[in-house]
Amino acid sequence: NAGVTQTPKFRVLKTGQSMTLLCAQDMNHEYMYWYRQDPGMGLRLIHYSVGEGTTAKGEVPDGYNVSRLKKQNFLLGLESAAPSQTSVYFCASSSGTEAFFGQGTRLTVV
Amino acid sequence: GEDVEQSLFLSVREGDSSVINCTYTDSSSTYLYWYKQEPGAGLQLLTYIFSNMDMKQDQRLTVLLNKKDKHLSLRIADTQTGDSAIYFCAEFQTDSSYKLIFGSGTRLLVRP
Repeated sequence: NAGVTQTPKFRVLKTGQSMTLLCAQDMNHEYMYWYRQDPGMGLRLIHYSVGEGTTAKGEVPDGYNVSRLKKQNFLLGLESAAPSQTSVYFCASSSGTEAFFGQGTRLTVV
Repeated sequence: GEDVEQSLFLSVREGDSSVINCTYTDSSSTYLYWYKQEPGAGLQLLTYIFSNMDMKQDQRLTVLLNKKDKHLSLRIADTQTGDSAIYFCAEFQTDSSYKLIFGSGTRLLVRP
């Protein structure tokens, strides 16, 4: 999808390890979002940001932290990974009209 | 409430029309979206509609919005096997949160 890049694409973590997922967009969008998608389920909003320097909690924020120090980047952190955080993570950015997604990060916590 | 609801499954024959329905709850929503997700892939924006519109047509896709009933639908004309996927509706809430909330998705199966 145009302009939203997620890194890494795949990762395996051990329980208790930490990691950061990076979302970068080059469309100068104000709004950015992190979701998780579990098998057979829709997208659940973890955290989001309405502009540089702002963050807010979504539906399932526990166990995650975020930062938006630069407008183009939105970072999702897991401080102490748990097996329940095994999921596919998607980032999206929006101008308030169109909203585009990254290709996803498949995270497995063992 | 923040819930966006969709039926879970729809099966149609190739060449027929498909209609996927969605209900939302936030009256302050400005934009409503339809996304397509194929297996193992990300979400592809199909179309979106502004909340002051009733209908939007884009080639084989027609979006209908009933703002009074908070009901959104996506019609796919001449459905093809390549249309088999999960379809998500989403609303951009502009109360004060600016959240982008998704439904649980409708799996469309197109039978030859």
